[in-house]
This record gives sequence, structure tokens and C-alpha cells, in this order.
Amino acid sequence: EVQLVESGGGLVQPGGSLRLSCAASGFTFSSYSMNWVRQAPGKGLEWVSYITGSSSTIYSADSVKGRFTISRDNARNSLYLQMNSLRDEDTAVYYCARSNNYRFDYWGQGSLVTVSS
Amino acid sequence: EIVLTQSPATLSLSPGERATLSCRASQSVSSYLAWYQQKPGQAPRLLIYDASSRATGIPARFSGSGSGTDFTLTISSLEPEDFAVYYCQQRSNWLYTFGQGTKLEIK
Repeated sequence: EVQLVESGGGLVQPGGSLRLSCAASGFTFSSYSMNWVRQAPGKGLEWVSYITGSSSTIYSADSVKGRFTISRDNARNSLYLQMNSLRDEDTAVYYCARSNNYRFDYWGQGSLVTVSS
Repeated sequence: EIVLTQSPATLSLSPGERATLSCRASQSVSSYLAWYQQKPGQAPRLLIYDASSRATGIPARFSGSGSGTDFTLTISSLEPEDFAVYYCQQRSNWLYTFGQGTKLEIK
């Protein structure tokens, strides 16, 4: 059974940093590209960042470029999102999601990040 | 950037009725369109991909159609557990976008 479990969310002040983790199991992690997708409270879904299985290719949304960095450790079956220079508008539930071609076929339960002073 | 516009924003129906949800793309996405269901407090779940293929474990009452710029998600006979928010999604030039969602609520 595919499982994705996020951790690392919490309350952070504007301008601060946070690192999210996603632990994967139930599939060959290194064979799949992975993503972070976020959802602000009461709002829709917004794709954040993508990384290939080998980490050779990374794409990110303009809204987070230069501030957020996606990475992975295939030996640990883990995906990460380093978030720096956080803003109020980054407040959201952050989901890790597995890529299957252009679609997201499995999702974690999400980790809430709250940016507030 | 390809914009996906979903309609209606809210759809009020009763169990047993047929639901028809629309997603329109600002440019052609061929058949590379997916649909997701999200219930309160839960992660989204993939329902339909390639416009009309059901994901693993999705009941046959869910069907998708369309190509190019106009797509439809149909639920043939609503069950109580189908009342949720539905999103369409595409990828173009390595930019993923979602529609704003259609809330399917009990009438």
C-alpha cells in the first residue's frame, strides 16, 4: 500500500524558515517524481514544486521560486521542502503527492504551515 | 499559463440525482486532464485521468469526457459520500494548474 506521511509543519513568524518532510512507503520511491501541493485555508489547490526521481530536474511555481527548495533522499525514501523567507500568504496545508505522468495519483494527509507574528 | 475554469461553483443536488460538472481550459490540453475529489479535512483523491479513465478503485458511477478545451465529470447517481469538492487539473510546459473547484452539496 502506498503511503505518504508529511511532517514538520507548525507556526513560524514572517521571514522565518521551516523544513517539511514526507516519508514514502509501499512503492519504489526512486522510480517516481514527486511534488508538493498546497492549499490555503478555505481555498483551492496550488502546485508548488516538482522533482524527478534522480533529482536531476526540478520545477517550481513562480510564487515560491528563490524561497522554497524541493529535495529528496532516495536512501531514506523521503521528500523535503525547505521554505525560507516565509510570508503570510504561504499559510496553507502542504501535501506531498506522487507524480504519475502529469497527474498526482497518491497524496499524503498534509502538514499545516501557519505564518503569523 | 493554462487557466482552468470550473462551473458551476456550487451544485446543489439530492442523492440519486445525476451530477454534471464542467471544466474549461483556456488552451487545448488534448486529453491530459485529471479530476480529483476532496472531502473536508482530507487530501484530494484522484478520480479520473486522461479525461475519461477511472483511477484504481473508483466506482463506475464516475465518468469523464471531453478533449481539447471542454471537459465534463459526470456522477450518474449520487451517493451520500459523493458530496465534496471536485477539482480538475492539467500540466503544460511543466506548470501544473488546478481549476478553482466545484462544491457539490446536498439539496
